[in-house]
Amino acid sequence: DAKTTQPPSMDCAEGRAANLPCNHSTISGNEYVYWYRQIHSQGPQYIIHGLKNNETNEMASLIITEDRKSSTLILPHATLRDTAVYYCIVRAYSGAGSYQLTFGKGTKLSVIP
Amino acid sequence: DAGVIQSPRHEVTEMGQEVTLRCKPISGHNSLFWYRQTMMRGLELLIYFNNNVPIDDSGMPEDRFSAKMPNASFSTLKIQPSEPRDSAVYFCASMMDRSSYEQYFGPGTRLTVT
Repeated sequence: DAKTTQPPSMDCAEGRAANLPCNHSTISGNEYVYWYRQIHSQGPQYIIHGLKNNETNEMASLIITEDRKSSTLILPHATLRDTAVYYCIVRAYSGAGSYQLTFGKGTKLSVIP
Repeated sequence: DAGVIQSPRHEVTEMGQEVTLRCKPISGHNSLFWYRQTMMRGLELLIYFNNNVPIDDSGMPEDRFSAKMPNASFSTLKIQPSEPRDSAVYFCASMMDRSSYEQYFGPGTRLTVT
């Protein structure tokens, strides 16, 4: 799976949009971008995934650049409960190892009141 | 649905003792994963099962670790003998099937080996 690079930490004011960047310059054509988050002392939680197009669900939006070398997770109105470590993961959809998620160090997002 | 269930939530044991961690995946899910998380190494995949069969155990640290999945609703991760460096949070996760995108994680078991 392609390697990802994320900033180690970010702050965001409560109520504002949180934009979390991820670089995945070696991503290949069949690899999806996944985002998970881990709130302190809990197991990781799936947020969203995408291949080429931008995606939105009830939790967040995912913006993938046209060349697919980077993406941004957007939490439109951050709340204190969004304080967590956010992981960007690139994973092939099929083939050997397609089940596996390789977690990096992620970005620690702190939402400030 | 109760989600992925892990037990115990906390375990404190002495070096050399056997430790067994338990996991009940979400009903209907046919893939199960064991992860370990430490400050130094982050979140690492130890082993995963598909339809109760171990598919990849390359992440298992050494022979002291073993995992079983005797049926679709239960899995164990055993450490024998335990060592202080095994202290970590162990997570179990399950996934519906090969076409799924989402792994569902349990609350974890915090293991402390003294």
